[in-house]
Parts: sequence; C-alpha cells; structure tokens
Amino acid sequence: AQSVAQPEDQVNVAEGNPLTVKCTYSVSGNPYLFWYVQYPNRGLQFLLKYITGDNLVKGSYGFEAEFNKSQTSFHLKKPSALVSDSALYFCAVRDMSPGPGGSYIPTFGRGTSLIVHP
Amino acid sequence: GAGVSQSPSNKVTEKGKDVELRCDPISGHTALYWYRQSLGQGLEFLIYFQGNSAPDKSGLPSDRFSAERTGGSVSTLTIQRTQQEDSAVYLCASSAAGTGFYPAEQYFGPGTRLTVT
Repeated sequence: AQSVAQPEDQVNVAEGNPLTVKCTYSVSGNPYLFWYVQYPNRGLQFLLKYITGDNLVKGSYGFEAEFNKSQTSFHLKKPSALVSDSALYFCAVRDMSPGPGGSYIPTFGRGTSLIVHP
Repeated sequence: GAGVSQSPSNKVTEKGKDVELRCDPISGHTALYWYRQSLGQGLEFLIYFQGNSAPDKSGLPSDRFSAERTGGSVSTLTIQRTQQEDSAVYLCASSAAGTGFYPAEQYFGPGTRLTVT
C-alpha cells in the first residue's frame, strides 16, 4: 500500500524568508513523487515531480523539492517566499511497481495551507 | 491552450435529486480521473478511466455514484438520490499517459462545487 503524510495543516512564513512544506511517504518499493499547488477557487496545478535521478528537483515558480530515500521524505522548498505563494499545497506519491492488487493511482496528502505574511 | 474544463462550476440541489457533473479533458489525454475534495479532507480518489474503460473505480463511495466516458474524451459523473454528505468540490483531472508505466503529471479542472440542501 502507498500513503503520504503532510504533518502540518498550516505553515506561516514572512515574505522574503525561506519556506519548507513537509511531506513523508510510504511505498512498498520506490516512489514517484509529486507536488501540486491549489490557489483559491482553482483546480490543482502541477509544480514538480521526482521520477528518478538527481534527488533535487526544480519546478515552477522557483520551488524545489529534495528526495530523501533514507528519511522517506520529499519536502517542498523555496529560498524566498512571496505573498503570492500563499495557497494550498498537496504532495502525492505512487509506488513505482505497485504489484498485484496495488494501485497505479497517485495517493494525495491532505494538503498544507501556506500563508506568507507581508 | 485549452485546459481541463468542468461544468457546472456550482450546483445547488435538493436532497434526493440526481445530478450530473461534466468533465472535458485536454484533447489527446487518455487518462481521466475524478476526485472529491471536502474541507480539511484532502483529495479523495473516486474513479479512473483509461480511454473509455474504468479499470479502477474503487473510490466510488456507494452505488449512487457512477461515471462514464465516451469517445475517449468527455466524462460524466452522476450522483443519484443526493445526500447532504455528498456536498463537496468534485475535481476532474486528465493526463497524457496511462498510469501503467510513466507517471505523467495530472492536469486538473477548476472543479464543480456541489451543495446538497
């Protein structure tokens, strides 16, 4: 089975400061990992994904995420937060090889609300 | 280019009525997903289509929920005899590839906000 956890319901950060949104996962084998962002009254937008290769993945709007296999984490980061980054962020995971009875559908976390204060 | 569109954007219905929600995926996307988003609950997977077939409908919460996809394109999610607990935002997403191997990112529509009174 695959699962993902976003331990923080809300993250508050001042504009200009670095931000981190946490995500940990559990899969049977190796993971595919995704981050999405949801602005108010909008659908989710893809930010970045980890498939294989370099552990540091760069995505849209200056965001990046680091895959850490030993800690089973894929935290989202940005060096300098903007007020416009305020949104709901979702981490998703899919087992690379689900096996019999496993799912090819990514599992999403509950979301973390990021609030960037001016 | 055109993204995923959903209609209606808002739907208010009385308990016990049937509703139909529509999704128009990105042209050429073979995979289509339906999710439900409730406040504080994250995304709840409902059903996945590959072409016109639904190999995974494990997330449908009850037999009041059904979905179909025609022509490998438009999909309709139908909820019969709606209940208040069905109130949520229903999101549709599509992706370029099937989920068998290459995990393509999903493109989401703006959602349909369903309110059952």
